[in-house]
Amino acid sequence: AQSVSQHNHHVILSEAASLELGCNYSYGGTVNLFWYVQYPGQHLQLLLKYFSGDPLVKGIKGFEAEFIKSKFSFNLRKPSVQWSDTAEYFCAVTPRGAGSYQLTFGKGTKLSVIP
Amino acid sequence: ETGVTQTPRHLVMGMTNKKSLKCEQHLGHNAMYWYKQSAKKPLELMFVYSLEERVENNSVPSRFSPECPNSSHLFLHLHTLQPEDSALYLCASSQGLTDTQYFGPGTRLTVL
Repeated sequence: AQSVSQHNHHVILSEAASLELGCNYSYGGTVNLFWYVQYPGQHLQLLLKYFSGDPLVKGIKGFEAEFIKSKFSFNLRKPSVQWSDTAEYFCAVTPRGAGSYQLTFGKGTKLSVIP
Repeated sequence: ETGVTQTPRHLVMGMTNKKSLKCEQHLGHNAMYWYKQSAKKPLELMFVYSLEERVENNSVPSRFSPECPNSSHLFLHLHTLQPEDSALYLCASSQGLTDTQYFGPGTRLTVL
């Protein structure tokens, strides 16, 4: 079975600072990778996803993530955060092929952006 | 604005009560899911339906009983729950089992 590790439980940044949230997964086969975001009081929304192709994936609101297969990592980045990015961010993985609906989430990283 | 709606948004129930959670998707998807989100734990997949047939039951206790009458609706029937079942229950849908899952806002359940 796959597992996902998010290294930071809570990250606090000032506006305009750069962001990188770590995500590592454990699985022996090929995977699909996701970042979801949950803004305060709102539902879980898809930020970006990687299925295949260019390992640098661009998502909504200026976020991007890079899949590094050799490191089993899919870190989320944003060059300059805004107060409105305050939210909880979840990395998730599914195996490709059989059982591909088995979306496994990390515990989440809470991001607080200070104006 | 989400294409997946859930009702009620909040529910408080005693251990002897019977209640149901409802999920409706307006995205034309054919797969639906129930997840449990507990404090300090990752989201846990509970049930998966594809074309109204259950394809996954992740060792969920029988006090949780899902029902999928059609591809747009999913229910979670609850009976004789325990306080540790208090959590946020999320519904999701996707177009096929291999596609991206889209989530509803969740039902915050408290079991007294």
